[in-house]
This record gives sequence, structure tokens and C-alpha cells, in this order.
Amino acid sequence: AQKVTQAQTEISVVEKEDVTLDCVYETRDTTYYLFWYKQPPSGELVFLIRRNSFDEQNEISGRYSWNFQKSTSSFNFTITASQVVDSAVYFCALSDTGTASKLTFGTGTRLQVTL
Amino acid sequence: DVKVTQSSRYLVKRTGEKVFLECVQDMDHENMFWYRQDPGLGLRLIYFSYDVKMKEKGDIPEGYSVSREKKERFSLILESASTNQTSMYLCASSSILKGLSTDTQYFGPGTRLTVL
Repeated sequence: AQKVTQAQTEISVVEKEDVTLDCVYETRDTTYYLFWYKQPPSGELVFLIRRNSFDEQNEISGRYSWNFQKSTSSFNFTITASQVVDSAVYFCALSDTGTASKLTFGTGTRLQVTL
Repeated sequence: DVKVTQSSRYLVKRTGEKVFLECVQDMDHENMFWYRQDPGLGLRLIYFSYDVKMKEKGDIPEGYSVSREKKERFSLILESASTNQTSMYLCASSSILKGLSTDTQYFGPGTRLTVL
């Protein structure tokens, strides 16, 4: 069975601080995809990134960066110079490769950025 | 841009009522999904569909059914609503990527259902 663990339930930082959200996953599949989604207070899940299991190259997009380490089954997300607009719940998810590629979600990390 | 819409943002129903939650996507996606989201539990898959009239159970299908008569529309049905079905319901869709069926899921805004 697939499993995603986000051990940090809630994180509070002051604006401009860097923050890392942890994600650890379990799967028996050799091919899989990992995702991060952001859920702002409005409720809609916003797609941030998709990474396949064969691509361990780290990715940077503006203030966001992702560190994928297959050896430790981790896919961590770092926000550099956090801003109040980054306040949201962030979900890490793992897909299988079966029909329709279902997602298994972690329980989410609530990030609160204050002035 | 992918657009997934859900019929209601907020819904209040009484115990025992039949409830329909509608989801429509405009990107010709083959796959559609229904999740419920509860505090501390993340998102859990209720049902999904990979084609018209095709459906499969997710992790928590009990108390729910679904209908997909048209490709763009996926309905979640609570035959007899109960208070433990009070939750946020999220619909998503995705396409089949070169036969691998592992494309990104795009989500609707959610329906917050309260069952009294």
C-alpha cells in the first residue's frame, strides 16, 4: 500500500524566513509520480509541481524549490523568503501507475506566515 | 486553463436526504475523481471514473455512489445523508498521458457539505 507522511502539522514563520516542508513516502512501485499542492483559505487545491521517480534533479521555481531524494524516499519543499501570501495548507501526494493513477495524499502541513 | 467546477460551494442538508454533488470539467479529461477532506486526515478518495459509465471504488466508498453519463460530468450521490458525511468534498480531473494515465489532477473549488 502507498503511504505519504507529512510529519509537520503546523509551521509558523515570520515573513522573509525560509521554511522547508517535509514529505516522506512509501511505495513498492518503481515508477511513480510525486506532487505538491497548495490549498489557500479559499479551499481550492492549486497544483505546484509534479516529479516522476526517474528524475531526481532538484527543481527551482522562483522562491519555491523541491528536493527529491529517492534514497530516503523524501520529496521536500522549500519556500525561500516566505511571504504572507504563502500562508496555506500544503499537501504532498503520490500517484500509482494503475488505471487513472489515483493519488494518495499526506495529511497536509499548515503554514502560517506572519509579518 | 483547466477548469473544474462544482455545483455548490456550501450545502446544508438534513439526515436521510438524498444529496447530489455535481462536478463538470471543460478539458475533455478522461479521468475524474471525488475526494473528501477532513481535518487531520488529508484527502481520501471516494470514487473515480476513467471513462463514461465506468467507475471504481476508492478508499472510502461506503455510503456513496457515483454517476458518469457524460465525459465532462461526474456526480457524487449520498443516498441517505448522515451526520458523519459532513465534510469538504473535492472533485478533480486528469487526462491520460500517452497511455500511462499519470497526468496531473486538477481540482475544483470544493463543496462544504453540512448534514444536520
